[in-house]
Amino acid sequence: NAGVMQNPRHLVRRRGQEARLRCSPMKGHSHVYWYRQLPEEGLKFMVYLQKENIIDESGMPKERFSAEFPKEGPSILRIQQVVRGDSAAYFCASSQSGTGGARNQPQHFGDGTRLSIL
Amino acid sequence: KQEVTQIPAALSVPEGENLVLNCSFTDSAIYNLQWFRQDPGKGLTSLLLIQSSQREQTSGRLNASLDKSSGRSTLYIAASQPGDSATYLCAVRPNTDKLIFGTGTRLQVFP
Repeated sequence: NAGVMQNPRHLVRRRGQEARLRCSPMKGHSHVYWYRQLPEEGLKFMVYLQKENIIDESGMPKERFSAEFPKEGPSILRIQQVVRGDSAAYFCASSQSGTGGARNQPQHFGDGTRLSIL
Repeated sequence: KQEVTQIPAALSVPEGENLVLNCSFTDSAIYNLQWFRQDPGKGLTSLLLIQSSQREQTSGRLNASLDKSSGRSTLYIAASQPGDSATYLCAVRPNTDKLIFGTGTRLQVFP
């Protein structure tokens, strides 16, 4: 059973370009979470999605960032007009539903995408 | 606002020692708590998940305890090995779906 797959592993962009980060959850998992780890800081929640729905985007910057989890295909985190401060490791996690929802299920993480802005 | 603190920030021990890593959180209204390890340049590996109604969970040489009322969890590692070297993260889940992470304990076990 493959784990959470993220690609690319490393992404380099110049200021002003767009970055697209992809995440395929574990098989059977319908809940996807995105976290960001800035240099020398802990992981911070960005957004939580279920298929075709954004459930909680309270950690997402209001501008330039968007996320989707379409019916078919991976979840995408999109950053428009990137700036140097967007340089970070972006991690995706997934979980399955259980009795009482996803909250009592562990989150499983991918290896992350390391985004560098020149 | 929930805050998660891990002590110590770094730990270096000889192989074979038994270790205790500490995690404290400011708001006891949590749904569960999850311990992870993170290897350099890698993602997070889930170690243990403790529900709020549980007191401890065990997996192999790892044992995690939870005292929700005092806002504390400990991760006990028995008979440490060099392969245990990594950063250990604890994360609490408030009554929402997101995890709130501590800043981690960097562990080095030398032969």
